[in-house]
Amino acid sequence: KNQVEQSPQSLIILEGKNCTLQCNYTVSPFSNLRWYKQDTGRGPVSLTIMTFSENTKSNGRYTATLDADTKQSSLHITASQLSDSASYICVVSARTNAGKSTFGDGTTLTVKP
Amino acid sequence: ETGVTQTPRHLVMGMTNKKSLKCEQHLGHNAMYWYKQSAKKPLELMFVYNFKEQTENNSVPSRFSPECPNSSHLFLHLHTLQPEDSALYLCASSETQGLDHYEQYFGPGTRLTVT
Repeated sequence: KNQVEQSPQSLIILEGKNCTLQCNYTVSPFSNLRWYKQDTGRGPVSLTIMTFSENTKSNGRYTATLDADTKQSSLHITASQLSDSASYICVVSARTNAGKSTFGDGTTLTVKP
Repeated sequence: ETGVTQTPRHLVMGMTNKKSLKCEQHLGHNAMYWYKQSAKKPLELMFVYNFKEQTENNSVPSRFSPECPNSSHLFLHLHTLQPEDSALYLCASSETQGLDHYEQYFGPGTRLTVT
């Protein structure tokens, strides 16, 4: 069964600090992995998308890494801001005709002043 | 703005009411999706339409009825809902449903409360 597990479930950090969120998956055959940011009560917004051949991708202060061998990804946030407070969702898609996506439970990040 | 709009943004309805959620995408995409997001749970895919044809129904109760009249519009018709159906309902679209890089763009969601 395809699964995506994220850790930690929640995280509190001080403004200006860095943090790293983890995503482990069992989805196979692998197609791509995406990180989304979801503000409370809003729809998810894409941060990065990576395919099998990519092992790092940046979007401003967000840097995602992918290790397809160990089936792990991380999202690193640098110099956090109060606006980074949100849920971060890891989504992994399978290389099938339907391209089915499996969603993680998300990590809730709170940035405090 | 992601190019996907949803109306209404908030909806309160009784269990005997009939209402509809609307989604519109301005991205020229051919695939559209309905998701349910309950508190502290991951997104649950409900329905998928690709080129106006329903391609997925993830065992959704019949009190939820989707309609896709064209590639730009998607509706979710609701009737005789239960309190446990209260959730954030998200619409998304992508270029097509299929392999690689089918990036999904989400709307802001409709917060539904069933009383």
